[in-house]
Amino acid sequence: GAVVSQHPSWVICKSGTSVKIECRSLDFQATTMFWYRQFPKQSLMLMATSNEGSKATYEQGVEKDKFLINHASLTLSTLTVTSAHPEDSSFYICSAGGTVAGNTIYFGEGSWLTVV
Amino acid sequence: GQNIDQPTEMTATEGAIVQINCTYQTSGFNGLFWYQQHAGEAPTFLSYNVLDGLEEKGRFSSFLSRSKGYSYLLLKELQMKDSASYLCAVRVADDKIIFGKGTRLHILP
Repeated sequence: GAVVSQHPSWVICKSGTSVKIECRSLDFQATTMFWYRQFPKQSLMLMATSNEGSKATYEQGVEKDKFLINHASLTLSTLTVTSAHPEDSSFYICSAGGTVAGNTIYFGEGSWLTVV
Repeated sequence: GQNIDQPTEMTATEGAIVQINCTYQTSGFNGLFWYQQHAGEAPTFLSYNVLDGLEEKGRFSSFLSRSKGYSYLLLKELQMKDSASYLCAVRVADDKIIFGKGTRLHILP
């Protein structure tokens, strides 16, 4: 079964609205989780590091006010895409693991976001 | 900076062998992953190399040379279902994984 679970798998939202994606670690406590974005026919691009109990660390070029990350517990990180635009349509995927999970990195199932 | 290079596309024939190369220059190195990704799906784990050498797992093998910043993924007895993108990724500090752009592998009958 899934070790890292992501929800929803598919979401369609209207331009200007916000959408939240959840990432849960099921078998271990994750002080750190990672969020990636993947545009069609491109590779995964690291967006940010989600830190439990503190602010997320964003990669260069990623707008922190647009992609809000909250990591309020050791098993849940959320990514909120605010004021979504069609160009935000993408595949978003989280990962967690490392030393706390037998030195293995697990990915969530991914979330397809379409902004219309 | 982080730089991971792999060929954009490769084509091979069913039943044959193909080797996908990956070179990397990263600030920190704690291991190298290979993932397979079919269109529209999440990546699936293939291999993880930390030490130099070859690791074999069924039809797939992965090789790492840390001194050369080089890895390859070897796929034997290719099947049509192996048509996918193959992602080389390096684990750097703090469990971050940085991905290469991926290699799209096309298998011909």
